[in-house]
Amino acid sequence: AQSVSQHNHHVILSEAASLELGCNYSYGGTVNLFWYVQYPGQHLQLLLKYFSGDPLVKGIKGFEAEFIKSKFSFNLRKPSVQWSDTAEYFCAVNGNNRLAFGKGNQVVVIP
Amino acid sequence: KAGVTQTPRYLIKTRGQQVTLSCSPISGHRSVSWYQQTPGQGLQFLFEYFSETQRNKGNFPGRFSGRQFSNSRSEMNVSTLELGDSALYLCASSWGGPRKNQPQHFGDGTRLSIL
Repeated sequence: AQSVSQHNHHVILSEAASLELGCNYSYGGTVNLFWYVQYPGQHLQLLLKYFSGDPLVKGIKGFEAEFIKSKFSFNLRKPSVQWSDTAEYFCAVNGNNRLAFGKGNQVVVIP
Repeated sequence: KAGVTQTPRYLIKTRGQQVTLSCSPISGHRSVSWYQQTPGQGLQFLFEYFSETQRNKGNFPGRFSGRQFSNSRSEMNVSTLELGDSALYLCASSWGGPRKNQPQHFGDGTRLSIL
């Protein structure tokens, strides 16, 4: 079964700072990779996804993620965060049609 | 297009009771998955239904069961409730056709509290 590790569960940073959230997964087969975001009081929303092709994936709201197969990683980045990026971010791996989530990163952006 | 709808939003039950949660997927989506979210364990996969059949199952005891109807709506049932079943239960839908592993769209969840 697949598993996902996310580090630095709580991240606090100021507006305009750069954000990078790490995600490592383990799964022996072909995987599809996702980042989901949960804003306060809202449901989980898809931020971006990787199925195949260019390993650098661009998502909504200026986020991007890079799939590095040799490192089993799918790190999320944003060059300059805004207060509205305060949310919980989940990395997920879909292998055999079941999503395995990491424990999430709680990101707080201070104005 | 309406999103994934889960009812009820909140439930309070006592130990030993049973509960049924409902999920209406996005129109046209045939795959429905259920997840349990708790502060300690995070998001954990319960099971997935596609065309009225359970296609995938997580590592939860048999007290957790589900079904899917011909209109793709799904229900999840938990019997003999335990305190540890207190959680947010999320439903997600996707097209789920021959190309598996499509992005899933989540509902707002049902918050279940066990007293």
